[in-house]
Amino acid sequence: SAVISQKPSRDICQRGTSLTIQCQVDSQVTMMFWYRQQPGQSLTLIATANQGSEATYESGFVIDKFPISRPNLTFSTLTVSNMSPEDSSIYLCSVDAGQNYNEQFFGPGTRLTVL
Amino acid sequence: DQQVKQNSPSLSVQEGRISILNCDYTNSMFDYFLWYKKYPAEGPTFLISISSIKDKNEDGRFTVFLNKSAKHLSLHIVPSQPGDSAVYFCAAGSGAGSYQLTFGKGTKLSVIP
Repeated sequence: SAVISQKPSRDICQRGTSLTIQCQVDSQVTMMFWYRQQPGQSLTLIATANQGSEATYESGFVIDKFPISRPNLTFSTLTVSNMSPEDSSIYLCSVDAGQNYNEQFFGPGTRLTVL
Repeated sequence: DQQVKQNSPSLSVQEGRISILNCDYTNSMFDYFLWYKKYPAEGPTFLISISSIKDKNEDGRFTVFLNKSAKHLSLHIVPSQPGDSAVYFCAAGSGAGSYQLTFGKGTKLSVIP
């Protein structure tokens, strides 16, 4: 199994600012994913971060709002840009388990509150 | 429109009894289903999965049942233990090589000692 850490674990931000969330994995992985869980809602995939290529965004999410970096096989960042209160969520990164294409390991999440 | 539904937001069960968590889906293209468990302030952890070619998968105290005709799956925990108290998410995926998972909203299980 992979050990995944995220920074920060939580933050309170002002409207209009941006926050970059870091995700670090203890082993090299091919696929990294970013999810959002809004209050009372399910986990929703934002994008897939591929090393060496542009991230692939899901419907409803755009690069200008959620730019992603993937500089190597163990690290990725997600930026939440020009934040509004609607961006208050838990943001989670995950990686593929390598054994089965659908199983993923998740980080502990970043709880973001936008005032 | 939610493609994966967990209609029970919460469930309370006595220690030692069976816990049954339910999940319904609408997308016929889903061919793989997973259950994740989530403790507060932690990320979801994989629990058990089942492929659409099976109707049952068992791992220790955890068994997942799949009824494709009803588009329904359930997770059985026997016997339930206080440490099982967590939020359980049902997730579904489709297509070999596809990493996209669709999650339900979760069911909070409380196992009462």
